[in-house]
Amino acid sequence: NAGVMQNPRHLVRRRGQEARLRCSPMKGHSHVYWYRQLPEEGLKFMVYLQKENIIDESGMPKERFSAEFPKEGPSILRIQQVVRGDSAAYFCASGLNPTGGRTEAFFGQGTRLTVV
Amino acid sequence: GQQVMQIPQYQHVQEGEDFTTYCNSSTTLSNIQWYKQRPGGHPVFLIQLVKSGEVKKQKRLTFQFGEAKKNSSLHITATQTTDVGTYFCAGPLGTDKLIFGTGTRLQVFP
Repeated sequence: NAGVMQNPRHLVRRRGQEARLRCSPMKGHSHVYWYRQLPEEGLKFMVYLQKENIIDESGMPKERFSAEFPKEGPSILRIQQVVRGDSAAYFCASGLNPTGGRTEAFFGQGTRLTVV
Repeated sequence: GQQVMQIPQYQHVQEGEDFTTYCNSSTTLSNIQWYKQRPGGHPVFLIQLVKSGEVKKQKRLTFQFGEAKKNSSLHITATQTTDVGTYFCAGPLGTDKLIFGTGTRLQVFP
């Protein structure tokens, strides 16, 4: 019973490169959340997706950031032209369809992005 | 905008002392959840409260959901060094996106 799988665990990118973060949700989970966490800070909501659909992207920066959750394969968080300020831990979480009040989320181990 | 705040931001206690963190939402929540994140780790789901005034216990941890469903608390009795970490409350807002509180970092000294 694999949990939420994120890869890579650590990612180093030079300024201007692209970063691709992958997240495979728990089996049976239809919803995926992405959060960003700066050192010593809280979890900042970025985007909430279900298969082939973005439900809420109100926490995503308008430029350079995008997310998808295709019908087949993992959810991808893509950051184009990375800058030093993008350095953070990016956590993915998955959950059941919240209909019926089941909204608890199960987290992956995160991807630590370092931009040099 | 919709916010979920927690106090205190930090708490240092001696092992064996009690600890409480408080969570307040700017809007009514359908449910409140609590998570624990160990240093260097990822958030782990602890519990979900749904009913107004609900109280749940997990060993030394007591969780409470306020009558107005806008606030919650987590109380740990007789802390141990294994309780070290950051405790977050979270609630579904708007589109059911899960919004996390600001967190309370607990340090326990032996």
